[in-house]
Amino acid sequence: EIVLTQSPATLSLSPGERASLSCRASQSISSSLSWYQQKPGQAPRLLIFDASNRATGIPARFSGSGSGTDFTLTISSLESEDFAVYYCHQRSDWPLTFGGGTKVEIK
Amino acid sequence: EVQLLESGGGFIQPGESLRLSCAASGFTFSTSGMSWVRQAPGKGLEWVSSISYNSEFTPYVDSVKGRFTISRDNSKNTVFLQMNSLRVEDTAVYYCAKGAMSRPIDYWGQGTLVTVSS
Repeated sequence: EIVLTQSPATLSLSPGERASLSCRASQSISSSLSWYQQKPGQAPRLLIFDASNRATGIPARFSGSGSGTDFTLTISSLESEDFAVYYCHQRSDWPLTFGGGTKVEIK
Repeated sequence: EVQLLESGGGFIQPGESLRLSCAASGFTFSTSGMSWVRQAPGKGLEWVSSISYNSEFTPYVDSVKGRFTISRDNSKNTVFLQMNSLRVEDTAVYYCAKGAMSRPIDYWGQGTLVTVSS
């Protein structure tokens, strides 16, 4: 099973600041990584697929990078609606797996 | 507009069975892999199972193998999750999602809550 480790668990930042979220895979997954945003009481929303491609309707302040085992989600300037939990997810091999999540909270 | 509408959740005792349904619309269902993902209260996301467009491939997470069965009816644009021998640890919101391995999971339903308790 491919284990995805997200860090940090919690990120405390102010609106306007830059956020960098990390996701590390236990073995190479090429670029088969997605990022999701989840707010309380809501379903996850796809932000980034295949490591660096923004999903439809996702603002340009969200960007993804990386390949192999190390990946980063960057939010260039946090807006109030960006405070949420973010999950990475790999579809390189079965079982599909998710990281434990990073909570981005208001400082 | 892609829509995924889950139904069938509820409160159930350990050892009993439940069948979840997910009605899909807004995309070509018959050519899309589909998945079920669950989230226990206050916890992260856990992939449960996926089904290929033609039902030939149906992988499961180890913890549900032999107890859960995923299926689909392409004539009704619906995917199902039959859950037998339910355990307390199966308590979660179950999300239906479009996509699996060949395509990223890109749309999610709003989820249906399954509570297993005595």
